[in-house]
Amino acid sequence: KAGVTQTPRYLIKTRGQQVTLSCSPISGHRSVSWYQQTPGQGLQFLFEYFSETQRNKGNFPGRFSGRQFSNSRSEMNVSTLELGDSALYLCASSLDRTDNEQFFGPGTRLTVL
Amino acid sequence: DAKTTQPTSMDCAEGRAANLPCNHSTISGNEYVYWYRQIHSQGPQYIIHGLKNNETNEMASLIITEDRKSSTLILPHATLRDTAVYYCIVRVDPTLTGGSNYKLTFGKGTLLTVNP
Repeated sequence: KAGVTQTPRYLIKTRGQQVTLSCSPISGHRSVSWYQQTPGQGLQFLFEYFSETQRNKGNFPGRFSGRQFSNSRSEMNVSTLELGDSALYLCASSLDRTDNEQFFGPGTRLTVL
Repeated sequence: DAKTTQPTSMDCAEGRAANLPCNHSTISGNEYVYWYRQIHSQGPQYIIHGLKNNETNEMASLIITEDRKSSTLILPHATLRDTAVYYCIVRVDPTLTGGSNYKLTFGKGTLLTVNP
């Protein structure tokens, strides 16, 4: 079956702009979580969605937001982009919140100039 | 979640077993040990997890010491494609928390380089 897909794979934006990233989980998976990966901070948890509701949020400013749709697809939005937002944004999905295995997508590489 | 300590990097010869250690001395009784790996430019990939018994699957074996303060991930016959950063994560089984601890907390991991 198809894995987690993320679009776009690469994105270049300038400071002050906003961006929307998309994640399509594996068919049947209802939990989606987002992570940011940078060389300095490593992999950091952004937020988690289940049944269209945000269940958990990491320590990121309010410029980072997300949502989940009824088909479990998820989007995350970053407004007023800063240079430090340049990162690989990873989406992971699992059957539900109690699943031990999370499946990660290939990520979206965001570069802020 | 308990903190983990892993070596920054390790080397292994192709075809030999790769043994990746992880220390988790503050692990509590209901915390599992999980291993993920991340091949360059890809998302992390689940490998295996366990509580106290040794576990084996098609990818690797997980050996947890009797006191559960440390564990070793074993790749029995490493290949060049196993070159990756390996993350050891300790977390309470989410089935016990209703999923409230669903998130994964990644450390720096171990960069395993498999050499020809």
